[in-house]
Amino acid sequence: QSALTQPASVSGSPGQSITISCTGTSSDVGGYNYVSWYQQHPGKAPRLMIYDVSNRPSGVSNRFSGSKSGNTASLTISGLQAEDEADYHCSSYASGSTLRVFGGGTKLTVL
Amino acid sequence: QLQLQESGSGLVKPSQTLSLTCAVSGGSISSGGHSWSWIRQPPGKGLEWIGYIYHTGTTYYNPSLRSRVTISADRSKNQFSLKLTSVTAADTAVYYCARDYCAAGSCHFDYWGQGTLVTVSS
Repeated sequence: QSALTQPASVSGSPGQSITISCTGTSSDVGGYNYVSWYQQHPGKAPRLMIYDVSNRPSGVSNRFSGSKSGNTASLTISGLQAEDEADYHCSSYASGSTLRVFGGGTKLTVL
Repeated sequence: QLQLQESGSGLVKPSQTLSLTCAVSGGSISSGGHSWSWIRQPPGKGLEWIGYIYHTGTTYYNPSLRSRVTISADRSKNQFSLKLTSVTAADTAVYYCARDYCAAGSCHFDYWGQGTLVTVSS
């Protein structure tokens, strides 16, 4: 069981927007602005898409955006494209005994 | 451009020790402000952080694995390693090494290796 809770799957049609949630506690997501999101295509390594809640690394499309409210962080992908179909994982810094936590991952299907 | 490459045994027998190495190029593991993490992903499941070694050599492990894990570094070869003892089938996973950037008000995994599948089976 993962420390952070994500929906198992989401779907959307090309051009639409989708949002993936990531729920933790005040000891991780809610307590720090250190939420990051990773895209993972089948058989590939995760790729950093969003860091520190809402920052995009160089080279990541501005169709990807992140936000946070309380203990829940969100990843929004606008203008869905076929290439966005992948698994998405959230992660957070955490206080206490486990310094780094992940969600269980969300499979995005572009219809 | 920083690159990480995992290597090691792909098949390990139950109760034995899993050993992997991550070779880093394009940057030094001794650079300040960075930690170097191991992360794993069982087939069809999510990611699990195993632990890290800080640039100073300090280590920190996931409490769920702490009794079986050792992460070490060889600065002369610019690489770091993972040892996981007493493995079972539950340790079957793709193992990734990653740079853990956590400094200056920022914390995330910015560079990843391609991953290596380790299967625990007799």
